[in-house]
Amino acid sequence: AQSVAQPEDQVNVAEGNPLTVKCTYSVSGNPYLFWYVQYPNRGLQFLLKYITGDNLVKGSYGFEAEFNKSQTSFHLKKPSALVSDSALYFCAVTSGTYKYIFGTGTRLKVLA
Amino acid sequence: DAGVTQSPTHLIKTRGQQVTLRCSPISGHKSVSWYQQVLGQGPQFIFQYYEKEERGRGNFPDRFSARQFPNYSSELNVNALLLGDSALYLCASSLAAGGYEQYFGPGTRLTVT
Repeated sequence: AQSVAQPEDQVNVAEGNPLTVKCTYSVSGNPYLFWYVQYPNRGLQFLLKYITGDNLVKGSYGFEAEFNKSQTSFHLKKPSALVSDSALYFCAVTSGTYKYIFGTGTRLKVLA
Repeated sequence: DAGVTQSPTHLIKTRGQQVTLRCSPISGHKSVSWYQQVLGQGPQFIFQYYEKEERGRGNFPDRFSARQFPNYSSELNVNALLLGDSALYLCASSLAAGGYEQYFGPGTRLTVT
């Protein structure tokens, strides 16, 4: 069965500092991994994806994510956080079928 | 290009009633998926349609049904509403089924009283 875990409900980081939002997954076969961001009362916005290739993928708004097959992780990172990055972040996985499994979300708070 | 659109934005219904939610995908996208998002949780998969055929269904009761039209727009129907159906219903479109990134609409907030 597919599953996604986001172990932190909330991550606090000072503006200008690097940020990491953690995600681990379980899937049969090769994973397709995604990060989405959700602002209040809005739908989810696609940030980046990993399907194959380079383990470090770059996405929108300066975000990147590192795929680690041995640790079954796909952590979201940004070198320098902005206050405007404060939002709810979701990791999602699919095995390439119709079903996408989302994590419970991590609230990122960037402090000025 | 316009993004995914959903209507209505908000809806208040009474227990036992039926509701229809609508979704228009991004132009050129042939797959539409529906999700239920309860406050404080991640989106839960309900259905995926691709080329007007149901490709997958999540763990939701038969009270939930959907369809996709020739123009790739979609409707989600929920019968015999329960209080627990209160949630944000999200529609997402993608180029095709299987492994593509999904683009989400703003959602329909359903409140069942």
